[in-house]
Amino acid sequence: GAVVSQHPSRVICKSGTSVKIECRSLDFQATTMFWYRQFPKQSLMLMATSNEGSKATYEQGVEKDKFLINHASLTLSTLTVTSAHPEDSSFYICSARGPGPDTQYFGPGTRLTVL
Amino acid sequence: DAKTTQPPSMDCAEGRAANLPCNHSTISGNEYVYWYRQIHSQGPQYIIHGLKNNETNEMASLIITEDRKSSTLILPHATLRDTAVYYCIVRVLYGNKLVFGAGTILRVKS
Repeated sequence: GAVVSQHPSRVICKSGTSVKIECRSLDFQATTMFWYRQFPKQSLMLMATSNEGSKATYEQGVEKDKFLINHASLTLSTLTVTSAHPEDSSFYICSARGPGPDTQYFGPGTRLTVL
Repeated sequence: DAKTTQPPSMDCAEGRAANLPCNHSTISGNEYVYWYRQIHSQGPQYIIHGLKNNETNEMASLIITEDRKSSTLILPHATLRDTAVYYCIVRVLYGNKLVFGAGTILRVKS
């Protein structure tokens, strides 16, 4: 099946710094990518939908100025957590709409820890 | 998209069939039932989806009741590697986003 990668898999940063997470579709082109956040023992929460070449659509309650999403190519979307704080520590997962009928493939996730 | 209700957790003996139920009483006629699972600290994995007919693939079977208000995911011979959180999601085909509920924690025990 189609593969989605994320980089880095883990990141630890100091409070106040910005962190960029990359999501790549390795063997297919993805016009639409999604970003989720998951806190411990909770379900995935959709943060935003990213379409190649256009602005991302954010879910209610997600600060677009804090979570910057760029989808500049058909195989890459990035999520930048700006001025990260300890409460932003979470598991961030991307997914990409793939080839074939109604398929969506998920990346392995990035664990962010803000000290 | 319609809401789903799943039991919070289930146990299953290794080698036995795991039957995971899902209620979706408000499902609309054009909404499909999707199942994903998430193994600890990994991204979700697609399992199967269906509209009204029963579906089977190499991973599992999906049984949807005639009134479509509930469904059951069946893992025919559960292994320890099937221990995961299983999510039942209702959505229109080619819908824009997947919304995850709480899911069912399936623990397969030897």
